[in-house]
Amino acid sequence: GENVEQHPSTLSVQEGDSAVIKCTYSDSASNYFPWYKQELGKRPQLIIDIRSNVGEKKDQRIAVTLNKTAKHFSLHITETQPEDSAVYFCAATSGTYKYIFGTGTRLKVLA
Amino acid sequence: SAVISQKPSRDICQRGTSLTIQCQVDSQVTMMFWYRQQPGQSLTLIATANQGSEATYESGFVIDKFPISRPNLTFSTLTVSNMSPEDSSIYLCSVSGPTNTGELFFGEGSRLTVL
Repeated sequence: GENVEQHPSTLSVQEGDSAVIKCTYSDSASNYFPWYKQELGKRPQLIIDIRSNVGEKKDQRIAVTLNKTAKHFSLHITETQPEDSAVYFCAATSGTYKYIFGTGTRLKVLA
Repeated sequence: SAVISQKPSRDICQRGTSLTIQCQVDSQVTMMFWYRQQPGQSLTLIATANQGSEATYESGFVIDKFPISRPNLTFSTLTVSNMSPEDSSIYLCSVSGPTNTGELFFGEGSRLTVL
Protein backbone atom coordinates (compact mmCIF):
# COMPACT_ATOMS: atom_id res chain seq x y z
CA GLY A 1 0.00 0.00 0.00
CA GLU A 2 0.85 3.66 -0.09
CA ASN A 3 3.48 5.01 2.27
CA VAL A 4 4.23 8.71 2.74
CA GLU A 5 7.41 9.91 4.39
CA GLN A 6 7.76 13.50 5.54
CA HIS A 7 10.83 15.50 6.54
CA PRO A 8 11.84 17.25 8.68
CA SER A 9 9.82 16.41 11.75
CA THR A 10 10.57 19.82 13.26
CA LEU A 11 11.67 23.04 11.62
CA SER A 12 12.54 26.37 13.16
CA VAL A 13 13.02 29.45 11.00
CA GLN A 14 13.42 33.13 11.61
CA GLU A 15 10.49 35.32 10.72
CA GLY A 16 10.80 36.37 7.09
CA ASP A 17 12.84 33.35 6.07
CA SER A 18 11.59 30.53 3.88
CA ALA A 19 10.54 27.07 5.03
CA VAL A 20 10.57 23.89 2.96
CA ILE A 21 8.94 20.60 3.89
CA LYS A 22 9.44 17.51 1.76
CA CYS A 23 7.39 14.35 1.27
CA THR A 24 7.94 11.19 -0.70
CA TYR A 25 5.30 8.65 -1.65
CA SER A 26 5.49 5.09 -2.84
CA ASP A 27 2.35 4.42 -4.90
CA SER A 28 2.75 5.58 -8.50
CA ALA A 29 -1.06 5.58 -8.80
CA SER A 30 -1.32 8.50 -6.37
CA ASN A 31 -2.58 11.55 -8.21
CA TYR A 32 -3.65 14.08 -5.60
CA PHE A 33 -1.36 15.63 -3.00
CA PRO A 34 -2.85 18.00 -0.44
CA TRP A 35 -1.12 19.83 2.38
CA TYR A 36 -2.91 20.43 5.66
CA LYS A 37 -2.08 22.86 8.44
CA GLN A 38 -3.06 22.03 11.99
CA GLU A 39 -2.75 24.68 14.64
CA LEU A 40 -2.56 23.62 18.25
CA GLY A 41 -5.89 22.20 19.39
CA LYS A 42 -7.51 22.86 16.02
CA ARG A 43 -8.70 20.74 13.14
CA PRO A 44 -6.48 20.14 10.08
CA GLN A 45 -7.25 22.56 7.26
CA LEU A 46 -6.27 22.40 3.63
CA ILE A 47 -3.80 25.10 2.62
CA ILE A 48 -2.81 23.99 -0.87
CA ASP A 49 -2.99 20.94 -3.08
CA ILE A 50 -1.59 19.71 -6.37
CA ARG A 51 -2.66 17.11 -8.87
CA SER A 52 -0.38 14.80 -10.79
CA ASN A 53 -0.82 16.64 -14.09
CA VAL A 54 0.75 19.79 -12.65
CA GLY A 55 4.35 20.36 -11.59
CA GLU A 56 3.94 23.46 -9.46
CA LYS A 57 1.19 25.50 -7.87
CA LYS A 58 1.41 28.75 -6.01
CA ASP A 59 -0.95 30.65 -3.74
CA GLN A 60 0.53 33.87 -2.38
CA ARG A 61 3.33 32.89 0.02
CA ILE A 62 2.71 29.17 -0.32
CA ALA A 63 3.78 26.92 -3.18
CA VAL A 64 3.87 23.21 -3.80
CA THR A 65 6.06 21.37 -6.29
CA LEU A 66 5.64 17.83 -7.53
CA ASN A 67 8.18 15.52 -9.12
CA LYS A 68 6.27 12.47 -10.32
CA THR A 69 9.35 10.68 -11.56
CA ALA A 70 11.04 10.86 -8.19
CA LYS A 71 7.72 10.53 -6.33
CA HIS A 72 8.23 13.50 -4.12
CA PHE A 73 6.50 16.78 -3.48
CA SER A 74 7.40 19.77 -1.38
CA LEU A 75 5.74 22.66 0.40
CA HIS A 76 7.44 26.03 0.24
CA ILE A 77 6.47 28.91 2.50
CA THR A 78 8.15 32.24 1.82
CA GLU A 79 8.35 35.30 4.07
CA THR A 80 7.29 33.24 7.06
CA GLN A 81 5.25 34.88 9.80
CA PRO A 82 4.58 33.81 13.40
CA GLU A 83 1.06 32.74 12.44
CA ASP A 84 2.60 30.14 10.13
CA SER A 85 3.69 28.24 13.23
CA ALA A 86 1.75 24.96 13.22
CA VAL A 87 2.03 21.30 12.30
CA TYR A 88 1.92 20.63 8.57
CA PHE A 89 0.86 17.31 7.08
CA CYS A 90 1.30 16.15 3.54
CA ALA A 91 -0.92 13.46 2.11
CA ALA A 92 -1.30 11.34 -0.99
CA THR A 93 -4.27 9.60 -2.52
CA SER A 94 -5.10 7.82 -5.73
CA GLY A 95 -8.53 9.38 -5.89
CA THR A 96 -10.41 7.00 -3.65
CA TYR A 97 -10.48 9.49 -0.77
CA LYS A 98 -8.30 7.09 1.15
CA TYR A 99 -5.67 9.56 2.22
CA ILE A 100 -2.31 8.48 3.55
CA PHE A 101 -0.86 11.24 5.68
CA GLY A 102 2.77 11.97 6.34
CA THR A 103 4.10 12.04 9.86
CA GLY A 104 3.89 15.81 10.16
CA THR A 105 6.30 18.71 10.48
CA ARG A 106 6.16 21.06 13.43
CA LEU A 107 7.09 24.49 12.08
CA LYS A 108 8.11 27.19 14.50
CA VAL A 109 8.59 30.70 13.21
CA LEU A 110 10.75 32.73 15.54
CA ALA A 111 9.95 36.43 15.83
CA SER B 1 -17.15 23.84 2.17
CA ALA B 2 -18.69 21.48 4.71
CA VAL B 3 -19.35 22.36 8.34
CA ILE B 4 -18.83 19.42 10.67
CA SER B 5 -19.90 19.28 14.30
CA GLN B 6 -18.49 16.66 16.60
CA LYS B 7 -19.34 15.83 20.15
CA PRO B 8 -18.15 15.37 22.72
CA SER B 9 -15.20 17.68 22.17
CA ARG B 10 -13.38 15.96 24.99
CA ASP B 11 -13.99 13.37 27.64
CA ILE B 12 -12.22 11.48 30.36
CA CYS B 13 -13.19 7.84 30.47
CA GLN B 14 -12.56 4.89 32.70
CA ARG B 15 -10.81 1.79 31.48
CA GLY B 16 -13.24 -0.84 30.20
CA THR B 17 -16.03 1.56 29.32
CA SER B 18 -17.26 2.59 25.87
CA LEU B 19 -17.88 6.02 24.42
CA THR B 20 -19.80 7.08 21.34
CA ILE B 21 -18.70 10.09 19.31
CA GLN B 22 -21.22 11.85 17.12
CA CYS B 23 -20.56 13.63 13.84
CA GLN B 24 -23.08 15.91 12.16
CA VAL B 25 -22.53 17.49 8.75
CA ASP B 26 -24.42 20.49 7.38
CA SER B 27 -24.90 18.89 3.96
CA GLN B 28 -25.53 15.46 2.55
CA VAL B 29 -22.33 13.56 1.85
CA THR B 30 -21.74 10.12 0.43
CA MET B 31 -18.68 9.15 2.39
CA MET B 32 -17.69 9.98 5.94
CA PHE B 33 -14.35 9.06 7.41
CA TRP B 34 -13.13 8.48 10.93
CA TYR B 35 -9.49 9.23 11.75
CA ARG B 36 -7.43 8.73 14.88
CA GLN B 37 -4.67 11.10 15.86
CA GLN B 38 -2.60 9.85 18.76
CA PRO B 39 -0.75 12.48 20.80
CA GLY B 40 1.82 14.24 18.63
CA GLN B 41 1.23 11.84 15.77
CA SER B 42 -0.21 11.86 12.30
CA LEU B 43 -3.73 11.06 11.17
CA THR B 44 -4.61 7.41 10.67
CA LEU B 45 -7.77 6.34 8.88
CA ILE B 46 -9.91 4.03 11.01
CA ALA B 47 -12.77 3.40 8.62
CA THR B 48 -14.95 4.77 5.85
CA ALA B 49 -18.66 5.00 6.59
CA ASN B 50 -21.16 4.85 3.75
CA GLN B 51 -24.87 5.26 4.26
CA GLY B 52 -26.76 2.03 3.86
CA SER B 53 -23.81 -0.30 4.10
CA GLU B 54 -21.32 -1.54 6.65
CA ALA B 55 -18.28 0.57 7.29
CA THR B 56 -14.99 -0.38 5.64
CA TYR B 57 -12.21 -0.74 8.19
CA GLU B 58 -8.52 -0.21 7.62
CA SER B 59 -5.87 -2.69 8.62
CA GLY B 60 -5.47 -2.77 12.37
CA PHE B 61 -8.99 -1.61 13.15
CA VAL B 62 -11.94 -3.94 13.73
CA ILE B 63 -15.65 -3.48 13.99
CA ASP B 64 -15.90 -4.98 17.47
CA LYS B 65 -13.57 -2.32 18.82
CA PHE B 66 -14.78 0.61 16.71
CA PRO B 67 -18.41 0.05 15.68
CA ILE B 68 -19.70 2.73 13.33
CA SER B 69 -23.20 3.77 12.42
CA ARG B 70 -24.28 5.79 9.41
CA PRO B 71 -28.06 6.14 9.58
CA ASN B 72 -28.33 8.94 7.00
CA LEU B 73 -26.30 11.17 4.70
CA THR B 74 -25.53 13.82 7.34
CA PHE B 75 -24.74 11.84 10.48
CA SER B 76 -22.39 9.15 11.76
CA THR B 77 -21.23 7.78 15.07
CA LEU B 78 -18.03 6.06 16.13
CA THR B 79 -17.94 4.02 19.32
CA VAL B 80 -14.68 3.24 21.05
CA SER B 81 -15.40 0.04 22.95
CA ASN B 82 -13.81 -1.47 26.03
CA MET B 83 -11.35 1.40 26.25
CA SER B 84 -7.80 1.15 27.49
CA PRO B 85 -5.23 3.92 28.02
CA GLU B 86 -3.85 3.14 24.54
CA ASP B 87 -7.11 4.46 23.10
CA SER B 88 -6.36 7.93 24.40
CA SER B 89 -6.37 9.95 21.21
CA ILE B 90 -8.13 12.59 19.21
CA TYR B 91 -10.81 11.09 16.99
CA LEU B 92 -11.70 13.13 13.93
CA CYS B 93 -14.67 12.90 11.65
CA SER B 94 -14.05 13.91 8.06
CA VAL B 95 -16.00 14.29 4.84
CA SER B 96 -15.13 14.99 1.25
CA GLY B 97 -16.27 18.36 -0.06
CA PRO B 98 -19.57 18.80 -1.89
CA THR B 99 -17.83 19.94 -5.06
CA ASN B 100 -15.78 16.76 -5.30
CA THR B 101 -12.44 18.57 -5.50
CA GLY B 102 -10.73 15.97 -3.36
CA GLU B 103 -10.47 18.20 -0.30
CA LEU B 104 -11.24 16.63 3.05
CA PHE B 105 -12.99 18.68 5.71
CA PHE B 106 -12.46 17.76 9.33
CA GLY B 107 -14.46 18.16 12.47
CA GLU B 108 -12.83 19.75 15.49
CA GLY B 109 -12.11 16.34 16.92
CA SER B 110 -12.98 14.50 20.10
CA ARG B 111 -10.14 14.26 22.59
CA LEU B 112 -10.48 11.12 24.68
CA THR B 113 -8.40 10.41 27.74
CA VAL B 114 -8.68 6.92 29.19
CA LEU B 115 -7.58 6.44 32.77
